[in-house]
Amino acid sequence: DAKTTQPPSMDCAEGRAANLPCNHSTISGNEYVYWYRQIHSQGPQYIIHGLKNNETNEMASLIITEDRKSSTLILPHATLRDTAVYYCIVRVRSSGTYKYIFGTGTRLKVLA
Amino acid sequence: GAGVSQTPSNKVTEKGKYVELRCDPISGHTALYWYRQSLGQGPEFLIYFQGTGAADDSGLPNDRFFAVRPEGSVSTLKIQRTERGDSAVYLCASSAQGHSTDTQYFGPGTRLTVL
Repeated sequence: DAKTTQPPSMDCAEGRAANLPCNHSTISGNEYVYWYRQIHSQGPQYIIHGLKNNETNEMASLIITEDRKSSTLILPHATLRDTAVYYCIVRVRSSGTYKYIFGTGTRLKVLA
Repeated sequence: GAGVSQTPSNKVTEKGKYVELRCDPISGHTALYWYRQSLGQGPEFLIYFQGTGAADDSGLPNDRFFAVRPEGSVSTLKIQRTERGDSAVYLCASSAQGHSTDTQYFGPGTRLTVL
């Protein structure tokens, strides 16, 4: 079962910030939060990940609440090419493996 | 450098046939993962290799599915007696070592259609 909950869809105006929320209320202390996106007919593309602290890279920022029960991915200036399904993933350790447990993601549509 | 590659990109087969799907991981990556993605769903874990050995095959749906990685690089996912329900996109990912801080990088997937 997925350990994350995301809204099924969101719209964002081009040039504005896109804020994608994710709930992961059952996350354990050593489990990372990862964000990927998937553009139609392509494999998932890595965006960013974090454990406790907020993170920023050239693609996005990740804000994790202090209790770690939720996070927000921020695309600061959304473009049409950012239209994709965004997956918030909790990476769990099971049977000696670090597995990604995907949910159904948020379908982000950037509008011109 | 080159990313994860998968061949073929599309495969159409008939019910009951045998298929092989190939994955070439990023050079030097010791960890390799297979996932299956059904329409409208997120990817689901199938199997994880660390080097040549299958460290975790708990996601394989039944014994018709099998995967190998004989030299610790290229992997092949094999499906026997295919069924229409096997139709999906099969994704491969690799990571440097499979450790807690590793990031998985995905290939473009193979779209399997069973008629």
